[in-house]
Amino acid sequence: DIQMTQSPSSLSASVGDRVTITCRANQSISSYLNWYQQKPGKAPKLLIYAASSLQSGVPSRFSGSGSGTDFTLTISSLQPEDCATYYCQQSYSTPYTFGQGTKLEIK
Amino acid sequence: QVQLQESGPGLVKPSQTLSLTCTVSGGSISSAGYYWSWIRQPAGKGLEWIGRIGRFYAGGSTTYSPSLKSRVTISVDTSKNQFSLELSSVTAADTAVYYCARESFPAAGHDASDIWGQGTMVTVSS
Repeated sequence: DIQMTQSPSSLSASVGDRVTITCRANQSISSYLNWYQQKPGKAPKLLIYAASSLQSGVPSRFSGSGSGTDFTLTISSLQPEDCATYYCQQSYSTPYTFGQGTKLEIK
Repeated sequence: QVQLQESGPGLVKPSQTLSLTCTVSGGSISSAGYYWSWIRQPAGKGLEWIGRIGRFYAGGSTTYSPSLKSRVTISVDTSKNQFSLELSSVTAADTAVYYCARESFPAAGHDASDIWGQGTMVTVSS
């Protein structure tokens, strides 16, 4: 299985801040990387697919970049509703493994 | 708009078989180009991909996580627009919220889970 590691595990930021979450794969996965947002008690929501493509309906303040083994999710201007846990997932080979999650809190 | 809804027992005894169903509404489960998957999440922990089924036009195809493969079966009932998960010989470690999801291909060759059910909590306990 491909292992995905996210950093940090948690972070706290203020409204309006630029926030970056990192995801690293233990082998090259090209651009087969998705990002999800999960709010407490809710199912995950797809934000970014193919490393950098924005899912329909997702605010443009979210963006993704990277290829190979290193990827980032960036929120350009943090909003209160962005308080959630974020997961990366590789879709390069099954089983499609997830990172351990990054819990984002608003200061 | 496609929606997914999980159903099944919330409590399963150890060593028994966990059985869940996901009902697809607003679209056909037989539509080409999609996989239908199960993902679980223990309380306070991360997401674990269990497996998927799809390609019904080609006779059907299932893929399972190697860590669960010996205990997992995913099947489909196209007449009911449902797919199901069976997990045998369960233990407390199988206690989790179980999600069904649709995997689509928003970019050529790149699949992602774009629609999820709300999730159903399953507890393994005697």
